[in-house]
Amino acid sequence: AQSVTQLDSQVPVFEEAPVELRCNYSSSVSVYLFWYVQYPNQGLQLLLKYLSGSTLVKGINGFEAEFNKSQTSFHLRKPSVHISDTAEYFCAVSDMGGNEKLTFGTGTRLTIIP
Amino acid sequence: DAGVIQSPRHEVTEMGQEVTLRCKPISGHNSLFWYRQTMMRGLELLIYFNNNVPIDDSGMPEDRFSAKMPNASFSTLKIQPSEPRDSAVYFCASRPRGPSNQPQHFGDGTRLSIL
Repeated sequence: AQSVTQLDSQVPVFEEAPVELRCNYSSSVSVYLFWYVQYPNQGLQLLLKYLSGSTLVKGINGFEAEFNKSQTSFHLRKPSVHISDTAEYFCAVSDMGGNEKLTFGTGTRLTIIP
Repeated sequence: DAGVIQSPRHEVTEMGQEVTLRCKPISGHNSLFWYRQTMMRGLELLIYFNNNVPIDDSGMPEDRFSAKMPNASFSTLKIQPSEPRDSAVYFCASRPRGPSNQPQHFGDGTRLSIL
C-alpha cells in the first residue's frame, strides 16, 4: 500500500516569485510519481511524471520536480509563477507492479497574488 | 483528439431520485476509473474497470451506488436512491493499455447537487 502526503493545503505566492509545493510518499514497493493540476471547474491534467532515470523532471507550463529517493519526496517547483498558475495541485503515485490505481495526496491550493 | 467526455456537466435533483452519470473514455483506452471529489474527503476512487470488467469496487460507498461498462466506449455510474450527502463532483478517467506508468486522463467532471 502507498500513501502520499502534501503538508501544505494552501500556498499563497506573489506573481513572478518562485514556488515549491511539497510531496512526500510512503510505499513498500517502487513507485512511479506524478503531479496533476486542476484548474477551476475542470478535471485533472498531467503536469509531469517520474518513471526512471534523471531525478529532475520537466513538465508543462515551466514546472519541474525532483525525485529524492532517500527522502521519499517529489517536490514541485517553478522559478517564476504567473496568475494563470492559480489552481490545485495533486501529487500521486502508482506502484511499478502493475496495479493501475493511483494514490493521490490531498492537494495544495496555489494562489497567486498580483 | 477528443478527451474523456462526461455528461451531464451539472445535475441538480431532489433526494430519493435516481441519478445516472455518463462517461465516454478516450478511444483505445482500456481502463476506466470513477472518482468522487468533495471538500471533506478530497479525491476518492470509487471503482475501476479494465477491458470493461470491474476490477476494484472497494471504494463504492454503499449499495445505492452501481457502475457498469457495457462496452469499451461507454460507462455509467448510477445512484439510486440519491441522498444529499452524495453531492460532489464526479470524475471519470481513462488510461491506455500498458504499464502503470501510463497516466490517467480525466474528464471535466459532473457537478452533482442533491437537494
